[in-house]
Amino acid sequence: GDSVTQMEGPVTLSEEAFLTINCTYTATGYPSLFWYVQYPGEGLQLLLKATKADDKGSNKGFEATYRKETTSFHLEKGSVQVSDSAVYFCALSDDRNTGFQKLVFGTGTRLLVSP
Amino acid sequence: EPEVTQTPSHQVTQMGQEVILRCVPISNHLYFYWYRQILGQKVEFLVSFYNNEISEKSEIFDDQFSVERPDGSNFTLKIRSTKLEDSAMYFCASIPKGGLSFRGSPLHFGNGTRLTVT
Repeated sequence: GDSVTQMEGPVTLSEEAFLTINCTYTATGYPSLFWYVQYPGEGLQLLLKATKADDKGSNKGFEATYRKETTSFHLEKGSVQVSDSAVYFCALSDDRNTGFQKLVFGTGTRLLVSP
Repeated sequence: EPEVTQTPSHQVTQMGQEVILRCVPISNHLYFYWYRQILGQKVEFLVSFYNNEISEKSEIFDDQFSVERPDGSNFTLKIRSTKLEDSAMYFCASIPKGGLSFRGSPLHFGNGTRLTVT
């Protein structure tokens, strides 16, 4: 079945450092790809998405490009802030079926940013 | 901005007891989901629900689990006889009526209920 693999955490960075969180996927169809973020004590929030190959999703300084040839959707940010400390989840949705948007998640990567 | 709300935020129960986890989806949403995350593991799909019936369920969602939309606003997940391995964070999610008509429509998640079975 479909699956998502993302790098183990925690990722510990100093403020203003460059961030990369790797994500690769396997899917039998042509999925949409997402990054969700979970801040402490809160639910999962959509951070960005991409629905087709070579699309770049971006939000709040984060970016990820849908790479079909490498089946990857790595999350990047040029300069992280303490407020970016959270757990980041890569996910895919196989949109072959017109119903019911079932998301397949990775395990999550905890990011800790220190001042 | 409208939110999906879940109660309680933390539920502790003894093995074998029944629990009901509650969710209030966003008011104009019509498709509802439960996911769970066992500590340190992946967020896993449990069930999706539309038009007062289950549309899809995972292998995890066995006879011990049930879902209900009793009054048009609440969406509940019931575990009849909890086991230790049911300890997890349970997330409710919803999507609006038009949300399934285009690729990449995101789910709206609640903050989760942490269930601890002792």
